[in-house]
Amino acid sequence: QQQVKQSPQSLIVQKGGISIINCAYENTAFDYFPWYQQFPGKGPALLIAIRPDVSEKKEGRFTISFNKSAKQFSLHIMDSQPGDSATYFCALTGAGSYQLTFGKGTKLSVIP
Amino acid sequence: KAGVTQTPRYLIKTRGQQVTLSCSPISGHRSVSWYQQTPGQGLQFLFEYFSETQRNKGNFPGRFSGRQFSNSRSEMNVSTLELGDSALYLCASSSLLSGAYNEQFFGPGTRLTVL
Repeated sequence: QQQVKQSPQSLIVQKGGISIINCAYENTAFDYFPWYQQFPGKGPALLIAIRPDVSEKKEGRFTISFNKSAKQFSLHIMDSQPGDSATYFCALTGAGSYQLTFGKGTKLSVIP
Repeated sequence: KAGVTQTPRYLIKTRGQQVTLSCSPISGHRSVSWYQQTPGQGLQFLFEYFSETQRNKGNFPGRFSGRQFSNSRSEMNVSTLELGDSALYLCASSSLLSGAYNEQFFGPGTRLTVL
């Protein structure tokens, strides 16, 4: 059973546009929701994370929106740049846990 | 600080063989986790070690095993390799923060190809 569903699978955005990636989860036991960014040949790296008691968190051009009642959270990349082209993974974890449950990933391509 | 290092970076094996992958965590990190990444299944948790003890294990067959040494370095072993074991194996390390989110720092992975 897939615990977190991520969409879309792939995304093409023009430079300067907004990239939006969505994730939906079922198990409410999780209480921390990070997003990871992975470039080819590299391991995933933490981009931004949010707790469910916060509806939105912004770091630079990256924003997470969290809807606890709908059990959904999304990543918004404002003013998308070619350097943002990577695969993005949403994940679930719990406080004190070292186990991440990942979505299937979204391959983002930002074209000039 | 040096990041998580994994060796070897690439490995080619044949079915039925066994393989050992190595991971050196960030200095001071005592938790080491392993993940398997494939195009079909994505990133899946294998197991997590802390102070030489396996604390958590994912849904993988017993052919997948691991261990951690007193210096926090970790190895994972896959015995009787199958074609489906071809994947990128990622190691992640984390420091111990009680009650808080423990950021996982990933290494570049070992690309295993089983022929």
